[in-house]
Amino acid sequence: NFMLTQPHSVSESPGKTVTISCTRSSDSFASKYVQWYQQRPGSSPITVIYDDNQRPSGVPDRFSGSIDSSSNSASLTISGLKTEDEADYYCQSYDGSTWVFGGGTKLTVL
Amino acid sequence: EVQLVESGGGLVQPGGSPRLSCAASGFTFSNYWMHWVRQAPGKGLVWVSVINSDGTSTRYADSVKGRFTISRDNAKNTLYLQMNSLRAEDTAVYYCARGRYCGGDCYWIDSWGQGTLVTVSS
Repeated sequence: NFMLTQPHSVSESPGKTVTISCTRSSDSFASKYVQWYQQRPGSSPITVIYDDNQRPSGVPDRFSGSIDSSSNSASLTISGLKTEDEADYYCQSYDGSTWVFGGGTKLTVL
Repeated sequence: EVQLVESGGGLVQPGGSPRLSCAASGFTFSNYWMHWVRQAPGKGLVWVSVINSDGTSTRYADSVKGRFTISRDNAKNTLYLQMNSLRAEDTAVYYCARGRYCGGDCYWIDSWGQGTLVTVSS
């Protein structure tokens, strides 16, 4: 089993770019795939990135995902920040038998 | 449009055994793996269980193994979670979610219900 560690919170101003990290405790993200989910206050989660860097239909291209195998981490980058991006973001991966979520990162856009 | 509607939550006494249901519509239910994911008040998402498309294979998080049972009725387009021996730490919103596969070890969730709150308290 492994754990996914995210920063508790990040903040940035509208129009700027923010990156949220997700670090895997063991093994590598290589061929393990990472997904990212957005959960606005009072709402159910939605998928913003799957398969490391793919966007489901309807998700704006301001959202992008990447993997850094050297640091065993994944990142979600949101450019051109909007106030509507203020939400909790969760990374997720699969360990061969169970689904693992990161602890979540609260993004504040102010 | 994919719709997942959970029901069966509420106030339950410790040791209780509620059954959650999730009514699916807008897609061919029998083609998809289905998950339960929970979220304690003010906390993050925690994966609970998954069932494959024909109901022959299930997996559970260690925290619920032996107490919870996931099942499905493809004729009724409904997913279930039988919860037994409930504890205070099982208090959470329980989400029904649709699973997707994108090759290799790429497993993700593409649709979520609105959730049903289970509160375990005497």
